[in-house]
Amino acid sequence: AQRVTQPEKLLSVFKGAPVELKCNYSYSGSPELFWYVQYSRQRLQLLLRHISRESIKGFTADLNKGETSFHLKKPFAQEEDSAMYYCATYNQGGKLIFGQGTELSVKP
Amino acid sequence: AAGVIQSPRHLIKEKRETATLKCYPIPRHDTVYWYQQGPGQDPQFLISFYEKMQSDKGSIPDRFSAQQFSDYHSELNMSSLELGDSALYFCASSLAAGGPETQYFGPGTRLLVL
Repeated sequence: AQRVTQPEKLLSVFKGAPVELKCNYSYSGSPELFWYVQYSRQRLQLLLRHISRESIKGFTADLNKGETSFHLKKPFAQEEDSAMYYCATYNQGGKLIFGQGTELSVKP
Repeated sequence: AAGVIQSPRHLIKEKRETATLKCYPIPRHDTVYWYQQGPGQDPQFLISFYEKMQSDKGSIPDRFSAQQFSDYHSELNMSSLELGDSALYFCASSLAAGGPETQYFGPGTRLLVL
């Protein structure tokens, strides 16, 4: 079954430092992967998806099939980036499967 | 550990009927979010509750209503069902602590409207 794993529960960095939120997936075919973000007390929002290969709010994520990873990166973290980040994929039934989430804390 | 429970897991209704979906959050969680995920689509936020009060509202049709009860479980009531309401409805719960909090997702209720 498809699964995504986010090994870090909490990631704390200083403002201006590079950020990498890890996500690994298990899927034998070509996965469709997403990153969602939830700011404090707000709803879940789509941040980016791998098929669009776009950069949102300075974040990028590259699908690495060799490492089965889809890590989320940003070269210079901002305080407003502090939030919960969820990696997700679809299962065979079309249901979105979320990782456990990583809390990003950007300190001034 | 207990997870978010949703019932029923599957539901088949006909057009113009009414459906009630239930969500039981993780014990001691005080916040519940409802999402609708259509076939091949991303989850769309519907509504959320914190401490039994509606905290946020998304693209929820007027035909739908929801509430959170004193034991923190939540129910999503859907009336005059339409074919387009066929979707996966899942809820998530969290413990609001003033900062980013982990949202735990339930398995979802798959609704099919015929």
